[in-house]
Amino acid sequence: LAKTTQPVSMDSYEGQEVNITCSHNNIATNDYITWYQQFPSQGPRFIIQGYKTKVTNEVASLFIPADRKSSTLSLPRVSLSDTAVYYCLVGGMAAGNKLTFGGGTRVLVKP
Amino acid sequence: GAVVSQHPSRVICKSGTSVKIECRSLDFQATTMFWYRQFPKQSLMLMATSNEGSKATYEQGVEKDKFLINHASLTLSTLTVTSAHPEDSSFYICSASRGGRADTQYFGPGTRLTVL
Repeated sequence: LAKTTQPVSMDSYEGQEVNITCSHNNIATNDYITWYQQFPSQGPRFIIQGYKTKVTNEVASLFIPADRKSSTLSLPRVSLSDTAVYYCLVGGMAAGNKLTFGGGTRVLVKP
Repeated sequence: GAVVSQHPSRVICKSGTSVKIECRSLDFQATTMFWYRQFPKQSLMLMATSNEGSKATYEQGVEKDKFLINHASLTLSTLTVTSAHPEDSSFYICSASRGGRADTQYFGPGTRLTVL
């Protein structure tokens, strides 16, 4: 299973763009990269998933360089309600779809 | 789509009793379901993986006789904590995936278990 490394915490202000980078140096060929958001006492919520290059949906963008050894989740114009823990996960069919959660990044959005 | 529910959301029980937690995929068929445990301010720890109709695969260090998992259908999995003790108090979260190449996991809202 690919080990992921991401910053422990990050502060931002309302309206700013937040970028969280995750390192996964030993990502396997068939691994996908998935990001989840978790609020206290709730289950993680799926944000975005990608394999390579750039993926964008209505809430975020995911940038993956050609070597796939890292990925960056971009949250445009954050609001106070985006304060949460964000997890980067790498996995796929080869691992039986097991997800090993890393420590996550605690994002605090200030007014 | 891809909604997963858990029941109950919160349960308090006495030491020595058993507690059953249900996990349902409401709008899709889940080939695989997962059970996680999360202690306060910590990350999620995978406990076991289950496929419909098969025995669950437990992670190292997780007692299969204490945490009984049944995946009876493509939309329902249950976790039973047997002879619960205070150290079993935790936040239990299930997830479900359709299967297929991307295998995105969709998580339930979690169940807070408190053992007195």
